[in-house]
Amino acid sequence: GAVVSQHPSWVICKSGTSVKIECRSLDFQATTMFWYRQFPKQSLMLMATSNEGSKATYEQGVEKDKFLINHASLTLSTLTVTSAHPEDSSFYICSARGGLEKLFFGSGTQLSVL
Amino acid sequence: GENVEQHPSTLSVQEGDSAVIKCTYSDSASNYFPWYKQELGKGPQLIIDIRSNVGEKKDQRIAVTLNKTAKHFSLHITETQPEDSAVYFCAASSPDDYKLSFGAGTTVTVRA
Repeated sequence: GAVVSQHPSWVICKSGTSVKIECRSLDFQATTMFWYRQFPKQSLMLMATSNEGSKATYEQGVEKDKFLINHASLTLSTLTVTSAHPEDSSFYICSARGGLEKLFFGSGTQLSVL
Repeated sequence: GENVEQHPSTLSVQEGDSAVIKCTYSDSASNYFPWYKQELGKGPQLIIDIRSNVGEKKDQRIAVTLNKTAKHFSLHITETQPEDSAVYFCAASSPDDYKLSFGAGTTVTVRA
């Protein structure tokens, strides 16, 4: 299947700092990427839809100024968690659409905010 | 919006036995149903998917069945092995926006 690379795999930061997570589609072009958040032993919660060359669409309850998404090319989308706080600690996962419906996921980023 | 329910939440099977996970969906317009396997600390991996114009699909030890009338679909794993232990998620998407709605997940444990 298609490969989606996500970096970093884990990050620890101090409260108040910003963290950037990258998501790359390695062997296909992805006009649409999705960002999810997952708490322990829970399902994936869609945060936003990232479309290349346009503004991201955020799900209800997700602060767009808190979670900045940039999709500047067909193979790269970034999620920046601004002014991170301990409650932002979570597992963040990106996915990229390869073809009409198939979604391929990155390996996830475990964010821990101290 | 779409609502996907998944059962059971946990499943323990003896190695070599079969495992079955069931999901129901609410939106009759949904037409794509993938299944993902997620190991601890990793992202979900697509293991099999089915479209609404097909009733059953099989890939080696894994099979998925779909009943459009009843709006439910199931994952069947035969001859389970310890490496099948993971969390499995079902999902559904509609042709309108291709967004996936996920089930709550099933933690499968295969006992050696």
